Amino acid sequence: NAGVTQTPKFRVLKTGQSMTLLCAQDMNHEYMYWYRQDPGMGLRLIHYSVGEGTTAKGEVPDGYNVSRLKKQNFLLGLESAAPSQTSVYFCASSYSRAGMRNNEQFFGPGTRLTVL
Amino acid sequence: GQQLNQSPQSMFIQEGEDVSMNCTSSSIFNTWLWYKQDPGEGPVLLIALYKAGELTSNGRLTAQFGITRKDSFLNISASIPSDVGIYFCAGQNYGGSQGNLIFGKGTKLSVKP
Repeated sequence: NAGVTQTPKFRVLKTGQSMTLLCAQDMNHEYMYWYRQDPGMGLRLIHYSVGEGTTAKGEVPDGYNVSRLKKQNFLLGLESAAPSQTSVYFCASSYSRAGMRNNEQFFGPGTRLTVL
Repeated sequence: GQQLNQSPQSMFIQEGEDVSMNCTSSSIFNTWLWYKQDPGEGPVLLIALYKAGELTSNGRLTAQFGITRKDSFLNISASIPSDVGIYFCAGQNYGGSQGNLIFGKGTKLSVKP
């Protein structure tokens, strides 16, 4: 039982390049999330998904796209990377979303992205 | 949008001391959560609070859900070196996008051995 895994762990991009971050969970969770973490800013929600085939915008969605074609996977794409997207990206998943005692979000180990 | 003020931003303490940190909000939350993040890792849930006034312990950690629903406190007793890390509070409400977590900016804890 691997929990939440993320690939790659590290990546360096040049401005304008594109890439996709992959998140996978083996807990059969319905809900999945992508966050970014910047120094002194805590974690901010980029996009989330409440089930296979669904996606929704979070607090800071601009410059990112997501897809949830399979329940266990949630992909985060950067079409044209910018230096402002240099950050650590965390994926998380949960069984339920809010108001229930088993809605804990489990986080992956993170992807450290640098855009030059 | 909702914002959380977490304090202190950082603290150095002597091993064995007790630690307190808190989180306040200008609006209410239905759930308060406390996470810990070790260097190079993702956050891990420490304690979840679901009811105003609730006091919950997890080993040496104790957290409380404020009566006003606008604040929460985390205490660590008899700190040890492995307590080093960043502690985040998070608030959550019910329904729609309000079900998303709102995180504080973190309290960085460093322990002098």
